[in-house]
Amino acid sequence: GAVVSQHPSWVICKSGTSVKIECRSLDFQATTMFWYRQFPKQSLMLMATSNEGSKATYEQGVEKDKFLINHASLTLSTLTVTSAHPEDSSFYICSALLRSSYEQYFGPGTRLTVT
Amino acid sequence: GDSVTQMEGPVTLSEEAFLTINCTYTATGYPSLFWYVQYPGEGLQLLLKATKADDKGSNKGFEATYRKETTSFHLEKGSVQVSDSAVYFCALSAPNTGGFKTIFGAGTRLFVKA
Repeated sequence: GAVVSQHPSWVICKSGTSVKIECRSLDFQATTMFWYRQFPKQSLMLMATSNEGSKATYEQGVEKDKFLINHASLTLSTLTVTSAHPEDSSFYICSALLRSSYEQYFGPGTRLTVT
Repeated sequence: GDSVTQMEGPVTLSEEAFLTINCTYTATGYPSLFWYVQYPGEGLQLLLKATKADDKGSNKGFEATYRKETTSFHLEKGSVQVSDSAVYFCALSAPNTGGFKTIFGAGTRLFVKA
């Protein structure tokens, strides 16, 4: 089956620094990837849709200058949290879309803690 | 707009009990419907799906039927196990203007006691 990986699986950083999270589709090409944020015991909140070779589409209320998304290849999308603050601490999950079936394959998630 | 509503949890059951988690949706078109499962500290895994009315998705003893007339996609399992303890998300996916979108329900946490 289709596999999506995320790296790192967890990261701790200091307030004011930037953190990059990678999302890779390992055995299929994904022209579209999604980035979600999940707060404890809550559902997934879509942050942005990442399309290969073009700018990401951000959901309302998501700061595009703070959450930089780059989808430079058909197998890799990155999310950079810039100037992180403690309120950015969360579980970030990516998914890659298999267009033939409209199925999304999810990465295992990255837990970010900002101190 | 499109939305997904699922029953609030947590749901606590004894092992071998019957499970039903209700899910209803609203959509303007003809979405595909999914159930995802999330184990503690992990990402989401696709549990089952149905792409058109009257389709039944099934996997690992779980089943759900796409009911267009009642706009529902209830998840059922005849005999739950402790290992089924997780959070279950109902979701719909459909093409959207300019792209594609998935909408998730709030999630239902299931605890199964031995």
